[in-house]
Amino acid sequence: GIQVEQSPPDLILQEGANSTLRCNFSDSVNNLQWFHQNPWGQLINLFYIPSGTKQNGRLSATTVATERYSLLYISSSQTTDSGVYFCAVEGNMLTFGGGTRLMVKP
Amino acid sequence: DAGVIQSPRHEVTEMGQEVTLRCKPISGHNSLFWYRQTMMRGLELLIYFNNNVPIDDSGMPEDRFSAKMPNASFSTLKIQPSEPRDSAVYFCASSLSGNYGYTFGSGTRLTVV
Repeated sequence: GIQVEQSPPDLILQEGANSTLRCNFSDSVNNLQWFHQNPWGQLINLFYIPSGTKQNGRLSATTVATERYSLLYISSSQTTDSGVYFCAVEGNMLTFGGGTRLMVKP
Repeated sequence: DAGVIQSPRHEVTEMGQEVTLRCKPISGHNSLFWYRQTMMRGLELLIYFNNNVPIDDSGMPEDRFSAKMPNASFSTLKIQPSEPRDSAVYFCASSLSGNYGYTFGSGTRLTVV
C-alpha cells in the first residue's frame, strides 16, 4: 500500500511564529487532504488538495504531485492551532500519515 | 448539512459485552468508511462501503468485528464480544465519489474494561 510520512513528528512554536509541515507519499494518488485533530479529538478537514496551492486565512497548502509531496504552511501561529496535523492520501482508500503534533505556546 | 453524525460519543463497557457504534453519513455521499485510532497504530481503515456495498474489509481485525450498511443513511460497526484491546476512538467518514474529499464524524471513544 501507499506509504505516507510526515515531518517533523513534533513541533513547538511560540505564538506568532510561522511553520511548515511536510508530507511525503510513495505513489501516485487521486486525493490528498490535510486534517487538524484538535485537543477534543475532532478531525477537521483543512484542505482537499491533490495538486496545486490553496490558501485559507493563515493556512496554505501546496501539493507537488509529480514529486510526491505536500506542504502545509501555518503563519502567525495561535494557541488554537495546537493539536495534531494529519496528511492523508487516497489511492484506493484514504491512508493517513503519522501526524505532526504541534504545540503553540503563548 | 449536519455533517457525519456518530453515536454514542463515549461508550464504556465490560469485556465480553456486545458494542454497537452508529453512523449517519452526509446526505448524498455514496462512500462510507470506518476508521480506528489508537496511540500505537494511529488512524487505520477498518472497512469501507460504496453505494451501501462493502468493498474492502481487510482492515477488520478479526471475526469479532462486523459492519453493516442497510441503507444510504445508516451504518453500524459491531464488536462481539468486546475485549480491552478494542479500546480506541472509532471514526466514521463519508465522501462523494469523484474526489471531493472525506468528511469525518466526531468519533466514538470506546473503553472496554
